[in-house]
Amino acid sequence: DAGVIQSPRHEVTEMGQEVTLRCKPISGHDYLFWYRQTMMRGLELLIYFNNNVPIDDSGMPEDRFSAKMPNASFSTLKIQPSEPRDSAVYFCASTLGGGPDTFGSGTRLTVV
Amino acid sequence: EDQVTQSPEALRLQEGESSSLNCSYTVSGLRGLFWYRQDPGKGPEFLFTLYSAGEEKEKERLKATLTKKESFLHITAPKPEDSATYLCAVRVTDKLIFGTGTRLQVFP
Repeated sequence: DAGVIQSPRHEVTEMGQEVTLRCKPISGHDYLFWYRQTMMRGLELLIYFNNNVPIDDSGMPEDRFSAKMPNASFSTLKIQPSEPRDSAVYFCASTLGGGPDTFGSGTRLTVV
Repeated sequence: EDQVTQSPEALRLQEGESSSLNCSYTVSGLRGLFWYRQDPGKGPEFLFTLYSAGEEKEKERLKATLTKKESFLHITAPKPEDSATYLCAVRVTDKLIFGTGTRLQVFP
């Protein structure tokens, strides 16, 4: 298996623009997680899905953030409109049951 | 409130100088404690899972232990390639809560 695949690896956008981050989880995994990592706050869980259904989005910072999982092999995290304080590394991870989360390589987002 | 605290924030070791990293936690309903390694520009890489007090896991120069309130990651005779950030996380219900990590640097 190729692991968790995220795209793009880097994204630079202007304030106010819409940003879409993409994730393909490991085949057969039933949980998908979106995390954000910054120097100040470390690794924070934004939202997670179980069998494509959003379970807990309490970590989503604002209504500007939204996430979808239309099928078992694809998820998106969208920020609209983007702001400079959204600059961070966004990770997607997947797991089967209570096992360890397997992380993707991340998307480094810079909002200028 | 569920909380995970790691110490120290940063650690500099000479090659061969053994040491330990600490992860203390306050959670209700622990469903596993996880250790990850993260290299710059990469996602966290899974190392160990511990489920109950007294449990130990080993991998090469690393050994993880667990008590009811904390976990230790012992590094024996480290090498420069062990330099990385080590993250501790606890699973509460279905999600992981991470500590802020220990940045380890091992010098030759």
